[in-house]
Amino acid sequence: KAGVTQTPRYLIKTRGQQVTLSCSPISGHRSVSWYQQTPGQGLQFLFEYFSETQRNKGNFPGRFSGRQFSNSRSEMNVSTLELGDSALYLCASSRTGFDEQYFGPGTRLTVT
Amino acid sequence: ILNVEQSPQSLHVQEGDSTNFTCSFPSSNFYALHWYRWETAKSPEALFVMTLNGDEKKKGRISATLNTKEGYSYLYIKGSQPEDSATYLCAFIVGATNKLIFGTGTLLAVQP
Repeated sequence: KAGVTQTPRYLIKTRGQQVTLSCSPISGHRSVSWYQQTPGQGLQFLFEYFSETQRNKGNFPGRFSGRQFSNSRSEMNVSTLELGDSALYLCASSRTGFDEQYFGPGTRLTVT
Repeated sequence: ILNVEQSPQSLHVQEGDSTNFTCSFPSSNFYALHWYRWETAKSPEALFVMTLNGDEKKKGRISATLNTKEGYSYLYIKGSQPEDSATYLCAFIVGATNKLIFGTGTLLAVQP
């Protein structure tokens, strides 16, 4: 069965711009979680969606938002980009959100 | 602030050595503990999801134990092989929030 896909894989943006990242989960998975990874910080939880509803949110500013569509695909948006938003953004899908997560390849965002 | 700590930060072993890592997490309000393996240029891959105190799980040469009362989990690799080289991450789920809090990982390098 097809794995989790993320697009785009790489992105370069300028400070102040906004960006939208996309994640397609494994078929049948209703939960999609987003994580940010920066050097030395490890994976930081951004938010989780289940059946189009945000169930949990991490400690990130309101510039980070997301949504989930009826087909479980999810998008994450970051507005007014800052240099510190440069990171690897991973999404992961699971059946319930509590079981094992299947990660996508990530989107590498560079903000200049 | 909930903290998940992993030790050691990195480990270099010879092929055939057995090794183990530690994951420490808050013992209150425990829900589940996940272990993931993250190889370079790949996505994190789930190893184990553990929920019960005293749980022991095994997958080939890799096994894990869980002590929820004292807040730690051990991951063991028996007879390390070069293909075991990766970062091993543990993640704690608090309460029933399904919000994974990741440790910063243990980087394992196995020399042939």
